[in-house]
Amino acid sequence: AQSVTQPDIHITVSEGASLELRCNYSYGATPYLFWYVQSPGQGLQLLLKYFSGDTLVQGIKGFEAEFKRSQSSFNLRKPSVHWSDAAEYFCAVDMETSYDKVIFGPGTSLSVIP
Amino acid sequence: DAGVTQSPTHLIKTRGQQVTLRCSPKSGHDTVSWYQQALGQGPQFIFQYYEEEERQRGNFPDRFSGHQFPNYSSELNVNALLLGDSALYLCASSGGDRGRSAQHFGDGTRLSIL
Repeated sequence: AQSVTQPDIHITVSEGASLELRCNYSYGATPYLFWYVQSPGQGLQLLLKYFSGDTLVQGIKGFEAEFKRSQSSFNLRKPSVHWSDAAEYFCAVDMETSYDKVIFGPGTSLSVIP
Repeated sequence: DAGVTQSPTHLIKTRGQQVTLRCSPKSGHDTVSWYQQALGQGPQFIFQYYEEEERQRGNFPDRFSGHQFPNYSSELNVNALLLGDSALYLCASSGGDRGRSAQHFGDGTRLSIL
């Protein structure tokens, strides 16, 4: 069955430090890939998406992600974290044959130390 | 340009009752998906509506039903509420290229079952 894993349940970084959040998926073909962010009590905001083409995608708020087919990974990165980045981050995949049936990972909670 | 709007924001019900949640999609979107997000977990796909019909369904019982109206807005109905139905219910809309656009989420309805 298709699945999405985010190995890190919680990550704490210092403000100004770099960040990498990991995401792996299990699927026979290349899905469409997304990263969403959720602040407490809020809905999900799209950070970036990968459909095809360049495997390094740029998103909002200074985030980027790299798709690595050989590793079935889509890791999210940011060179310098701001205190306002503290939130829950979800990796998600859209299985091409399933018309927007998006499967979410369990999420990674990010804390930022001032 | 209004994004995805959901109502109500919060709702408290008791076991056995029925509830209806509402969603208006982002302007230009014609597809609505519903997700259930339990505390500390990623969103779980309930179902998706397109052209007023249920197009995809996740692993949820028949107690969960929905409807889409000609103006693309949607309702989620849950019958015979259980304590385990307590969650944040998220609506997402998409459109344009058939199923290949990223989903935009509302802020959700927080449903508490007593």
